[in-house]
Amino acid sequence: AQKVTQAQTEISVVEKEDVTLDCVYETRDTTYYLFWYKQPPSGELVFLIRRNSFDEQNEISGRYSWNFQKSTSSFNFTITASQVVDSAVYFCALSSNFNKFYFGSGTKLNVKP
Amino acid sequence: ETGVTQTPRHLVMGMTNKKSLKCEQHLGHNAMYWYKQSAKKPLELMFVYNFKEQTENNSVPSRFSPECPNSSHLFLHLHTLQPEDSALYLCASSHRLKRDYEQYFGPGTRLTVT
Repeated sequence: AQKVTQAQTEISVVEKEDVTLDCVYETRDTTYYLFWYKQPPSGELVFLIRRNSFDEQNEISGRYSWNFQKSTSSFNFTITASQVVDSAVYFCALSSNFNKFYFGSGTKLNVKP
Repeated sequence: ETGVTQTPRHLVMGMTNKKSLKCEQHLGHNAMYWYKQSAKKPLELMFVYNFKEQTENNSVPSRFSPECPNSSHLFLHLHTLQPEDSALYLCASSHRLKRDYEQYFGPGTRLTVT
């Protein structure tokens, strides 16, 4: 079975704090892809990153970084020096083929000034 | 227009009405998707179209009927809906021939069934 779990329903931080959003996945496939999406209040999901199952190298993009660990089936997302504009719902997703995408239930991030 | 557009953005309909949601992508993609997003639930993939052919129907009730006349347009026809069908309906597209699986989403249609 394929499943994505985002145990943190809602997180509140003060601006400039670092925050990590957790994502744990389950899959029996050896080849799969992991994603993070951001959904601001406007509703449109914005693609942030994709990771292949055979590439465990961590990635940094500005204030965003991702930690992929196959040993723990986790793909965590860290925002450094958070800003109010980071406030949104963040979704982690898993896919092994084009016909199946599994999303977590999302983590709502509130960044307060 | 760029990206993925959806119309209408908001829709209120009675249980006996018939309405349609429209999605259009301007990205040259060849795969399109319908998702349902209910409060406090994960996104649910409803339908998948690859090159205009439906390749996935995740046990969606027949009161939802998709249509994909070409690779750029996707419709979701609605009839005799139930109040529990009220949700945000999101359309997405991706490029099937690029092995990157990235989906680009539209802003969604907020549907309320009364």
